[in-house]
Amino acid sequence: KQEVTQIPAALSVPEGENLVLNCSFTDSAIYNLQWFRQDPGKGLTSLLLIQSSQREQTSGRLNASLDKSSGRSTLYIAASQPGDSATYLCAVGISGNTPLVFGKGTRLSVIA
Amino acid sequence: DAGVIQSPRHEVTEMGQEVTLRCKPISGHDYLFWYRQTMMRGLELLIYFNNNVPIDDSGMPEDRFSAKMPNASFSTLKIQPSEPRDSAVYFCASSLQTTYGYTFGSGTRLTVV
Repeated sequence: KQEVTQIPAALSVPEGENLVLNCSFTDSAIYNLQWFRQDPGKGLTSLLLIQSSQREQTSGRLNASLDKSSGRSTLYIAASQPGDSATYLCAVGISGNTPLVFGKGTRLSVIA
Repeated sequence: DAGVIQSPRHEVTEMGQEVTLRCKPISGHDYLFWYRQTMMRGLELLIYFNNNVPIDDSGMPEDRFSAKMPNASFSTLKIQPSEPRDSAVYFCASSLQTTYGYTFGSGTRLTVV
């Protein structure tokens, strides 16, 4: 059974700092990996999707990398801003026709 | 499109009562997922449908939980009888595929006292 772990559970950084969020998964035979953002009291919003054949994806100040062999992904946020404060969840697609498996998320606070 | 719509946003009920959560998916999405989120267990898949047919309900915790999708534009998750340990945020999501393109609703925060 695929398990997804995110460490740390919570992170607080000063504004302007570059930071890395970590995601690990137990079975390297994945279909894709995604990063989501969840604001308090809201649903999840997709940020980045990395297919199993890709190594990274970028969107603005966000960069996600994937290392299938080691079962790891990182989300890099450059020049963090208070508006980046949210919970970030990693999710793994196991195959083409099974639902995503989510980690518990990392709660990020960016202090002005 | 207004996105995935869930109702109610908040529900407070007494132990033993029946609770019904509702979801309207995005028009044209073939897949509908029900997830439950708690601090301890994170986001857990309860059940998902493809073209209104339940595909996998192995995540439904007990017989007290049931879900239906009578048509492409509506789904319900029912808990009967409710217990305090059912307190959580319940999310509905829809997509065209199982592995990407999920759109989540804003969730229903359920509190059972």
